Amino acid sequence: AQSVSQHNHHVILSEAASLELGCNYSYGGTVNLFWYVQYPGQHLQLLLKYFSGDPLVKGIKGFEAEFIKSKFSFNLRKPSVQWSDTAEYFCAVNARNAGNMLTFGGGTRLMVKP
Amino acid sequence: DAGVIQSPRHEVTEMGQEVTLRCKPISGHDYLFWYRQTMMRGLELLIYFNNNVPIDDSGMPEDRFSAKMPNASFSTLKIQPSEPRDSAVYFCASSFLPTSGRFGGELFFGEGSRLTVL
Repeated sequence: AQSVSQHNHHVILSEAASLELGCNYSYGGTVNLFWYVQYPGQHLQLLLKYFSGDPLVKGIKGFEAEFIKSKFSFNLRKPSVQWSDTAEYFCAVNARNAGNMLTFGGGTRLMVKP
Repeated sequence: DAGVIQSPRHEVTEMGQEVTLRCKPISGHDYLFWYRQTMMRGLELLIYFNNNVPIDDSGMPEDRFSAKMPNASFSTLKIQPSEPRDSAVYFCASSFLPTSGRFGGELFFGEGSRLTVL
């Protein structure tokens, strides 16, 4: 079964600091990878996704993620965070042969101090 | 587009009562998912439908939980009888493309139904 690990449960940064959130998954085959964001009191929405092609994926609001197959990782990055980036971030994986069993990581709560 | 619509947004009930959560997916989306979010277990997939047919319900915790999708525009998640450990936020999501497919379909989530069982 596929699983997703997000090692940082809570991250606190000051505005303009750089962000990198870790995501590792356990599955040896072809995968689709996603990052979702949940702003306080809101529903989850897609930040970016990878399904093929360039392993460096750019998403909304200046976020990007890099798929490193050899490391089973899909880390999320942003060069300079803003207070409005305060939210919970979820990495998710769907193995191509696992139906639509999108598995989410435990989430990382990011707080950006103004 | 109105997005995925869930009701009720909040429900407080007593242990043993029946709870019904409702979801209207985005028109034209063939896939519908029910997720549960708790602090302890994060986001868990309970069940998903394709073209109104339940495809995988292996995440449904026990027989007290049931889900139906009588038509393409409506689904329910029912808990009977409810227990305090069922307290969580229940999200419904829909998608046009399969998440596992070649193009990695995006899930569109509703606002969630926050359930508290006393």
